[in-house]
Amino acid sequence: GENVEQHPSTLSVQEGDSAVIKCTYSDSASNYFPWYKQELGKRPQLIIDIRSNVGEKKDQRIAVTLNKTAKHFSLHITETQPEDSAVYFCAASKRNPGNQFYFGTGTSLTVIP
Amino acid sequence: DAGITQSPRHKVTETGTPVTLRCHQTENHRYMYWYRQDPGHGLRLIHYSYGVKDTDKGEVSDGYSVSRSKTEDFLLTLESATSSQTSVYFCAISDPRTDAQYFGPGTRLTVL
Repeated sequence: GENVEQHPSTLSVQEGDSAVIKCTYSDSASNYFPWYKQELGKRPQLIIDIRSNVGEKKDQRIAVTLNKTAKHFSLHITETQPEDSAVYFCAASKRNPGNQFYFGTGTSLTVIP
Repeated sequence: DAGITQSPRHKVTETGTPVTLRCHQTENHRYMYWYRQDPGHGLRLIHYSYGVKDTDKGEVSDGYSVSRSKTEDFLLTLESATSSQTSVYFCAISDPRTDAQYFGPGTRLTVL
């Protein structure tokens, strides 16, 4: 099956700085890569995703990049704010069978005011 | 929040007792999933369903069974709960238009 590794496990940044979280995957057939944000005691919430036919996607202060050759993808958060503090999870999937998601182990991001 | 609810939201039970968790969706989506979330492990797939009465195992299915008799409901059963099954359980649905998965609010299960 797929194996997704995520780094770092914890990350602290000053407010206004950028944060980068990196993931690698093992199955070259994976073609969909979502990122989730989970606040304490809450459900994971989808914040951005990218497909394998796209190299980069942006949505306001967040962006995701994908390098298919190296099998890694990254989440970039610019101009961080205290409300960005949360645990972030990456995942990889392919449609068959069952559109199963394989998640990384999470990155706890703390934005220091 | 994608029309997904879970019940109960919290449960404490004793080792050896059966437990059933319920996931209900209002989106009429075909695919539904059960995950468990544990510190250091992220989210791991237990079972998933691709239609009424159609289910398959995920990576951590031992000790769990599922059933889906209606499109909107997906049940997860622990036949004989063990302390290692203490966890937070999330249900999810997959949007067929985008492949994105959306999660329910979770059930915190404690097995004493």
